[in-house]
Amino acid sequence: TQLLEQSPQFLSIQEGENLTVYCNSSSVFSSLQWYRQEPGEGPVLLVTVVTGGEVKKLKRLTFQFGDARKDSSLHITAAQPGDTGLYLCAVLARHAGNNRKLIWGLGTSLAVNP
Amino acid sequence: DAGITQSPRHKVTETGTPVTLRCHQTENHRYMYWYRQDPGHGLRLIHYSYGVKDTDKGEVSDGYSVSRSKTEDFLLTLESATSSQTSVYFCAISDPRTYEQYFGPGTRLTVT
Repeated sequence: TQLLEQSPQFLSIQEGENLTVYCNSSSVFSSLQWYRQEPGEGPVLLVTVVTGGEVKKLKRLTFQFGDARKDSSLHITAAQPGDTGLYLCAVLARHAGNNRKLIWGLGTSLAVNP
Repeated sequence: DAGITQSPRHKVTETGTPVTLRCHQTENHRYMYWYRQDPGHGLRLIHYSYGVKDTDKGEVSDGYSVSRSKTEDFLLTLESATSSQTSVYFCAISDPRTYEQYFGPGTRLTVT
């Protein structure tokens, strides 16, 4: 069972369209991170959301953390082919005593067609 | 971009042979991680390190060992490679306050 559920799993849209992808859980988290991974490369951090209800904008990308801090959404306005990639969410969890590690969702694979 | 390099970038090896992957960082971060990424499984943590000679197991550590003798280098060794270890391996470093992670470019390993 995945701690983090990302939806949709795959999304193919035309350039200029808007889209929203989701990261959901039944657990409460202190923070949530979003990453984008382009083909053949490692994931790159986009944003960290910390406060329930928080909204952060990064150019055409809008990130929201749910009021209860159990879920998050990423909205892209007027998608461009350069937005193509795998969008991953991750949360911090305890591991082996006081150590912590990131728990990752499986991602949403986005293809933006010209 | 964070200064993280991985070597080799691609490797094909035979079942039963030992393989060592290297991660090198120039950021002087204490926290370093090794992940593997496979379709349907996402990113899975193999081992991590919180400092020189301070390493611990992740969720898929069987068949893997690590060493960290210097802050900048984190080595992942497959003692006897198996076909199930065919994967893309990523090294990452993180900010110890936020655990935000910065990844290397990855190593694609094929075990035949």
